[in-house]
Amino acid sequence: QLQLQESGPGLVKASETLSLTCTVSGGSISSSSFYWGWIRQPPGEGLEWIGSIYYSGRNFCNPSLTSRLTISVDTSKNQFSLKLSSLTAADTAVYYCARHGSVWYSFDYWGQGTLVTVSS
Amino acid sequence: EIVLTQSPGTLSLSPGERATLSCRASQSVSSNYLAWYQQKPGLAPRLLIYGASSRATGIPDRFSGSGSGTDFTLTISRLEPEDFAVYYCQQYGYSLFTFGPGTKVDIK
Repeated sequence: QLQLQESGPGLVKASETLSLTCTVSGGSISSSSFYWGWIRQPPGEGLEWIGSIYYSGRNFCNPSLTSRLTISVDTSKNQFSLKLSSLTAADTAVYYCARHGSVWYSFDYWGQGTLVTVSS
Repeated sequence: EIVLTQSPGTLSLSPGERATLSCRASQSVSSNYLAWYQQKPGLAPRLLIYGASSRATGIPDRFSGSGSGTDFTLTISRLEPEDFAVYYCQQYGYSLFTFGPGTKVDIK
């Protein structure tokens, strides 16, 4: 059974950079059929897609976040990562990692999510 | 960017009743790229429907999806107690995923 697990700090300071990692187990991140993505959800609000990456490193991101965002993949560790810079309180959210297909473009496996709070 | 609008915002129903949730897109969406999710408090979203009408693995057949173009519908034929949750539609287009604001299905 495929599992995804987010890891990273729960509290970060405004203006700093958030680094999160998603570890994939029960399957290979190098599958040619899937992309690996990040989605966030501010407390009490809806879902926002952040960006997605393929095992080759090819990635695409939400234009609203592109200038602050770096997404990378480490196939040797079966992990992918997110770095989001210049944080503000608006970046406070639960951050999820998830898998989506390259045909149906829907997110079929999700991590449990990690709450990141940006403090001033 | 394709904007998704969901209605109603809240749907108050009793167990056993039929729920009809609407998702409308600001531009035409490929049916391959329209999905529905269920989210319960404190949990990650769960994929219900992909490709507008295909049930994901393990999803009961009381859940069905339909629609095309700009209008899509999620139907729950008979609500079970575990179905009371928030439902989101999601689309992929122009290399961008967007989600609707959600419909909360609560107990009447």
